[in-house]
This record gives sequence, C-alpha cells and structure tokens, in this order.
Amino acid sequence: EAGVAQSPRYKIIEKRQSVAFWCNPISGHATLYWYQQILGQGPKLLIQFQNNGVVDDSQLPKDRFSAERLKGVDSTLKIQPAKLEDSAVYLCASSQPGQGNTEAFFGQGTRLTVV
Amino acid sequence: ELKVEQNPLFLSMQEGKNYTIYCNYSTTSDRLYWYRQDPGKSLESLFVLLSNGAVKQEGRLMASLDTKARLSTLHITAAVHDLSATYFCAVDPRSGNTPLVFGKGTRLSVIA
Repeated sequence: EAGVAQSPRYKIIEKRQSVAFWCNPISGHATLYWYQQILGQGPKLLIQFQNNGVVDDSQLPKDRFSAERLKGVDSTLKIQPAKLEDSAVYLCASSQPGQGNTEAFFGQGTRLTVV
Repeated sequence: ELKVEQNPLFLSMQEGKNYTIYCNYSTTSDRLYWYRQDPGKSLESLFVLLSNGAVKQEGRLMASLDTKARLSTLHITAAVHDLSATYFCAVDPRSGNTPLVFGKGTRLSVIA
C-alpha cells in the first residue's frame, strides 16, 4: 500500500515570497491533515479536511496560509507571503474516519526554510 | 484545550539499561498513539492504545495507557543504539477522527 506522498521535500525561499506544498493521501482515506512542525517541537495541526470539506482550521493563520482539497483527494497548502517564523517541516497525514482505530499516517514532510 | 506533556524531554541512556518515558494529558480521552521520528524523517507509528489498561509490546518497547490517571508510559528495556530517536505521544481529544494533539517529544540518545 502506497503511503502519503508529499512534494517538494525541501524548499528555500526569501521572506515575503509565496510557496505551495502538495499532498496525496493514502488511497481511500477521507480525512487529511496538515501539520506544522517547528524544530524541536511536536507537530501542530494547521487544518483538517474530511473529503473536500474543512473540519477544523482554527489554528491556520488565515491571513497568510490557505489550503484546499478540491476533489477530496490531493491537497495543497500555500503560504503567501512567507515570514521567517514559517520555517518548519510541513507534514501531511491521512486517516480513515470511524469509531475504531483512526490512526493517522504521515508523509515525509516538506522542509521549508525562509531566509 | 487539551495539553499533552511528555517527560523527560531529553534522555541519554546507556546500552542495556531500562527507562520509562511518561505522557500526561489534561482531558478525558481513551485513544493515545506513540510515534517515533528519526532525524530528518517523518513520523512512524509505534503503538495505538484504544482503551483503559491497554498494553502493547514490540521488541524492547512497551506502551501502556491509564485513562483514569490520564497517563501513558513508554518503557524501554535493555536499550540498544538503534532506539536513538525522538518519541512523541499524541492524544485524540474527542476519541474518533479528530486531530491528534502531540507532546513536545522525548529525544532519546542511547550510548555505548
């Protein structure tokens, strides 16, 4: 079974530039998450999708971050304009909703450096 | 708001020794996950604990969950160098298809 795919793996941009990340979840997983992991910290949720709808975006800095999952499969996360403090690893994860084990499976992440 | 606290945050231990990592959380939940992260890599699922009293073991690692105490432990037996990594616990705050809340992680270094 293929895992969660993310691209690019690495990105370096200057502050005030824009950047976009892409995620393809595990086939059949209706729930998709974007997490931000700052160096030395645990992942922090940015946004959760169920199919193509947003379930939770309460921690997404909406003045500069946006995300979409138009067809309920792939997702993109965009930052515009980037700030120095956005330097982090952006992790995409997916899970299958249900009452039992709803374990999240993570992609390899995109490491963003803003200079 | 759910808080998840791990301790210790840093752990240096000798090969062959035993140690326990603790994960406390602030609100009721009966779903807790342990992940491992190697430097520059993503999160690898280790254990899924879905009920009070759940105990899972894999090799030299054993995880348990006490939902009444809001505590999970990850016990390391006879540590080996290959276990060096950062270990995260993550709690499902509403017990089903809700975003996991992670602790800060425990960076484990096993030395000869």
